[in-house]
Amino acid sequence: EIVLTQSPGTLPLSPGERATLSCRTSQSISSTSLAWYQQKPGQAPRLLIYAASSRATGIPDRFSGSGSGTDFTLTISRLEPEDFAVYYCQQTNNVQYTYTFGQGTKLEIK
Amino acid sequence: QITLKESGPTLVKPTQTLTLTCTFTGFTLTTSGVGVAWIRQPPGKALEWLALINSVDETAYSPPLKSRLTITKDTSKSQVVLTMTNMDPVDTATYFCARRLTNSGAKYFESWGQGTLVTVSS
Repeated sequence: EIVLTQSPGTLPLSPGERATLSCRTSQSISSTSLAWYQQKPGQAPRLLIYAASSRATGIPDRFSGSGSGTDFTLTISRLEPEDFAVYYCQQTNNVQYTYTFGQGTKLEIK
Repeated sequence: QITLKESGPTLVKPTQTLTLTCTFTGFTLTTSGVGVAWIRQPPGKALEWLALINSVDETAYSPPLKSRLTITKDTSKSQVVLTMTNMDPVDTATYFCARRLTNSGAKYFESWGQGTLVTVSS
């Protein structure tokens, strides 16, 4: 089983700042199998990025994804007030047909 | 417009079987590459994928929970049903259903229901 480790657990930043969130996998994966989600309190998760770097429909271009192998990054170039939320990475195992989420990074207002 | 909505009991007793229904609109589960998954989230904790069924009736389950889960679909009703046996208080969580899409090899959960909170308690 591939384990996803997100860091930091909590990231205090101010609006206007740049956010860099990390997702590391316990073994190398295909970039096509990595996605990022945003979840606000009391809401369902929202897809932000799929295939490591492709923005989902309607996602602002301040959100970008990058990475390969075992290290993946979600970057929010300039934080807006509505961006403060919990972010999850998710990996698809195309051999075992299973899906795994990271433990999440909480982006909070400093 | 794509919508998914979960329904089922809000309270179940330990050892009982949970049955949840996901009713969806705006897409069909006969389209190649489309699937519907169940994902849960205990209060204050991370997301956990449970099960998925796709357009050709292939199913997949979380290995630790596989023995307790069954996922089925009724295409005519646009519904996917999840059953989980032998419920325990640790299964208390919000249960989400989500549409999984496939795009050039990438698989991801593109649309989600609002979730339903299930509490396991005697």
